[in-house]
Amino acid sequence: DVKVTQSSRYLVKRTGEKVFLECVQDMDHENMFWYRQDPGLGLRLIYFSYDVKMKEKGDIPEGYSVSREKKERFSLILESASTNQTSMYLCASSLRKRDSSTYEQYFGPGTRLTVT
Amino acid sequence: QQQVKQSPQSLIVQKGGISIINCAYENTAFDYFPWYQQFPGKGPALLIAIRPDVSEKKEGRFTISFNKSAKQFSLHIMDSQPGDSATYFCAASRAAGNKLTFGGGTRVLVKP
Repeated sequence: DVKVTQSSRYLVKRTGEKVFLECVQDMDHENMFWYRQDPGLGLRLIYFSYDVKMKEKGDIPEGYSVSREKKERFSLILESASTNQTSMYLCASSLRKRDSSTYEQYFGPGTRLTVT
Repeated sequence: QQQVKQSPQSLIVQKGGISIINCAYENTAFDYFPWYQQFPGKGPALLIAIRPDVSEKKEGRFTISFNKSAKQFSLHIMDSQPGDSATYFCAASRAAGNKLTFGGGTRVLVKP
């Protein structure tokens, strides 16, 4: 059974704190993603990694950074948390798509982050 | 700038009724259109997907209709059940692209 796990389900941090969100997948997937989910805005891509130590900015990378030192682990870092980063954060993984075939992203359960 | 627009934001349907969710996209390079289903407290999971070479795909009570010329696609949930109550997201990606662009989501409530 495929599995994507996230380190915390709920997290409360103070403004200005450095925040680490961890994601681990056990499917040997090349791709890993970080999204944030906000009502009415759907899922917006923050960062994407297609290989170890490789990263690519998504649609809303400002205020975030990522780290991928091992294939199975992808970390999202909020360098200095702000209240507008209060959100649900979702991690996903997938096989690397090499042609026009369909493919699936597998999601973790999410981390609800509150920044006060 | 939202490249995939989804409507309605929420939907209430009686048990046994039909739920219809619509999505429109702008990027003509998109060629893979999945729908994801998310239950409370869970991450989204792939429900059904379509490629633009077909106009319709059916899996059980779930059907995707695709209109390439209008750049629109929709999800129909036939004989809606209370267990279908969830948030549904449409999405799109480019050929060989590894990223998905999601719509804003539709919260569906099926009343018994």
